[in-house]
Amino acid sequence: AQSVTQLDSQVPVFEEAPVELRCNYSSSVSVYLFWYVQYPNQGLQLLLKYLSGSTLVESINGFEAEFNKSQTSFHLRKPSVHISDTAEYFCAVSRLQGAQKLVFGQGTRLTINP
Amino acid sequence: DTAVSQTPKYLVTQMGNDKSIKCEQNLGHDTMYWYKQDSKKFLKIMFSYNNKELIINETVPNRFSPKSPDKAHLNLHINSLELGDSAVYFCASSLIAASYNEQFFGPGTRLTVL
Repeated sequence: AQSVTQLDSQVPVFEEAPVELRCNYSSSVSVYLFWYVQYPNQGLQLLLKYLSGSTLVESINGFEAEFNKSQTSFHLRKPSVHISDTAEYFCAVSRLQGAQKLVFGQGTRLTINP
Repeated sequence: DTAVSQTPKYLVTQMGNDKSIKCEQNLGHDTMYWYKQDSKKFLKIMFSYNNKELIINETVPNRFSPKSPDKAHLNLHINSLELGDSAVYFCASSLIAASYNEQFFGPGTRLTVL
């Protein structure tokens, strides 16, 4: 079985400041890793994912995440946040084999203050 | 054009009633999912269908019965509603059932059981 822990339930930061949202996972098998974002009153949208290859993956809106196998982590970072980044961020894993079964973390609410 | 749509958006009902939530996707995807998000924002998969066939059935009370009349629709019927069923229910779809796929989420249905 897999489990995901997001260490911070809320992260408040000022606009243009850097941010890191932490994600650790536990699994007895190899997994794919995902970050999804949920803007207010909307469904989740994929932000980025790690499948294989380079451990650093990027999104189109400036976020990046690094897969660290030894630390079983997949932390999400952005060097300079914008008000529009205010949202709930979910880390998730899925086993490689079989039908996709996403296991989500508890979510981190990112609040950007002007 | 809405990719994954759910109706209704809000549902308020009494304990013991039976209710249904409908989901439709116009993306041409083969696989659809139902998730439950509780009051602490924890998101957990309930069911997954691939081409109208059930492929994932998590530990969900049998009061919950999904139905997929065709691969573009996945409805969720809930019998004998209980207070603990109050949550936001999200429908999602993906191109195929493989683990590396992106899932596209609907806007959610907020169910309140009184």
